[in-house]
Order: sequence, then C-alpha cells, then structure tokens
Amino acid sequence: EDQVTQSPEALRLQEGESSSLNCSYTVSGLRGLFWYRQDPGKGPEFLFTLYSAGEEKEKERLKATLTKKESFLHITAPKPEDSATYLCAVQAGGNNRLAFGKGNQVVVIP
Amino acid sequence: GAGVSQSPSNKVTEKGKDVELRCDPISGHTALYWYRQSLGQGLEFLIYFQGNSAPDKSGLPSDRFSAERTGGSVSTLTIQRTQQEDSAVYLCASSLGLGEAETQYFGPGTRLLVL
Repeated sequence: EDQVTQSPEALRLQEGESSSLNCSYTVSGLRGLFWYRQDPGKGPEFLFTLYSAGEEKEKERLKATLTKKESFLHITAPKPEDSATYLCAVQAGGNNRLAFGKGNQVVVIP
Repeated sequence: GAGVSQSPSNKVTEKGKDVELRCDPISGHTALYWYRQSLGQGLEFLIYFQGNSAPDKSGLPSDRFSAERTGGSVSTLTIQRTQQEDSAVYLCASSLGLGEAETQYFGPGTRLLVL
C-alpha cells in the first residue's frame, strides 16, 4: 500500500524566515509526485508535479525537489499570504488515484 | 475557463437519511475522481471514472456509498442511510484522461454534516 508521510504537521514562520516541508513516500513504481496548496474551506489548488529523482520545479517563493524517497517543498522568504496547508500526493503503480499525506499546516506571521 | 464545480456547498442531514452530492468536471476532462477529507485525516480516494470504462470503486468504504456518471460528464455521489462518521468534506477532481500522472484539478468540495 502506498504510504505518504508529511512533516512537520504544523509550522509557524516569521515573515521572511525560509523553511522546508518534507514529504516521505513508500510506493511501488512512482509515476508522479504532486504538491497542492489548500486554503481553509477550499479545495486543493495544484502547485507542482515531479516525475523523477533529481527533478526540481519553482514557482514564485516555492521550490519543489524530489529524491527516490522524499520530496521537499522549500519556501523562501515567505509572506503571510503563503499561509495554507500544503498537501503532498503520489500516483504509483497501475493506479490513477492519488494517495495523500495529511498535510503541512503553515502559518506565516507578519 | 470554468473549473470543477460541486453542489451543494454545504449539506446538513439527519442520521439515516440519503444524500446526493453533485460534481461538474472541467469541460473536456474524461477522468473524474471522488475523494473524502475527514477532520485530521488526509484525502481518501473513493472512486474513479474514465470515459466509458468500468469505474474503479475500490475506495468506497461501504455499500451505502455509490456513484454514477451520466453522459461522461456530471457525476453524482450518493450516500444511503447516512451515519455520523460520514461527516466530512467530499471533493471531486477531474483530469484530461490522456495518460499517466496527469494533474487532477479539484472542486471546492461539499461539506457534509450528519447529525
């Protein structure tokens, strides 16, 4: 069974204080690793897809990286509007479903 | 263009009643998914539709849950004889359905509360 573990569960950052979120996964035949952002009361919003170890993608203050066992979401100089829950999900084997971690809840304090 | 839409946004029902949740996928997307997000839990896969193929129902938690997709577009998730543990946010997602590791785009969800 695909397993996805995210850490830390919750993180409070001062505005401008860079940090990283971790997503560890155990799957058979990774097809893609996805990062989403979810704001309270809303559905997940797509951020990145990573397909193979060594791949990196960036968007504004966010950078996602992938190894054979984990992915990191780096937040550089965060702003209060980066406060959200960040979800990691994997698609593996012959399944089209996504297996999600429980999320990293990030609060950025002005 | 328009994203995935879901209705109702919120639903409060009494234990034992049946409920229907609706999902309108992005136009042109042939793949449609239902997930459930319970308090403190990650998103849990429920069911997957792809074109005219038989749906993957392997994530449905009990036979009280069913879903259909009419005309390859709109989908309805039905929960019969609702229980308090069914209280959760039900999320629908769609993707193009063309290949592997496609991006799934989510709707805003339906928040279900069973009293």
